[in-house]
Amino acid sequence: GQQLNQSPQSMFIQEGEDVSMNCTSSSIFNTWLWYKQDPGEGPVLLIALYKAGELTSNGRLTAQFGITRKDSFLNISASIPSDVGIYFCAGTNTGNQFYFGTGTSLTVIP
Amino acid sequence: DTGVSQDPRHKITKRGQNVTFRCDPISEHNRLYWYRQTLGQGPEFLTYFQNEAQLEKSRLLSDRFSAERPKGSFSTLEIQRTEQGDSAMYLCASSVPGGQTQYFGPGTRLTVL
Repeated sequence: GQQLNQSPQSMFIQEGEDVSMNCTSSSIFNTWLWYKQDPGEGPVLLIALYKAGELTSNGRLTAQFGITRKDSFLNISASIPSDVGIYFCAGTNTGNQFYFGTGTSLTVIP
Repeated sequence: DTGVSQDPRHKITKRGQNVTFRCDPISEHNRLYWYRQTLGQGPEFLTYFQNEAQLEKSRLLSDRFSAERPKGSFSTLEIQRTEQGDSAMYLCASSVPGGQTQYFGPGTRLTVL
């Protein structure tokens, strides 16, 4: 199957700092998605990207669809304690199968 | 609440027993997906339905696993003769017709003793 690699694997940051994480794929996708998952819960959709080069924001979150279509980036500005969780990227071409990354674990220190 | 719902949220069973999980998608979402997630990993695709038709199945879905969506609404995932390696979170997601985004339920945590 498709391999999606996320980095960094984990992050420990001070409250108020900005966060950047990325996701790379061995194959191209025409849709990239970013999810956040809290312990014991299902992933929650944060941002969806449909076009290469697209930059989309959702509050303090901004995500970009890489121009090569093999990568995507997520930035969180002015982090707060409730940003704690695991962030997953996902890619799809047909909407039939979605491939997920390995996740970036974010810890925000108050 | 009109989100994806899953039942039960937790299931503990003994090795060799059969278990069945249920997923109710968002209404009007004709696509339904099942995933398995183990600790420290992202969700892994198991199978996908469009209405009542099961259109894709992963190689992860062994003969002991079966999924159904008889009326194109809710779906069930059954695991027969459970093994300890089946312990995982089983996630269900749904999307609109032709949609390229999907919405997840809270998952069912399975523990096989």
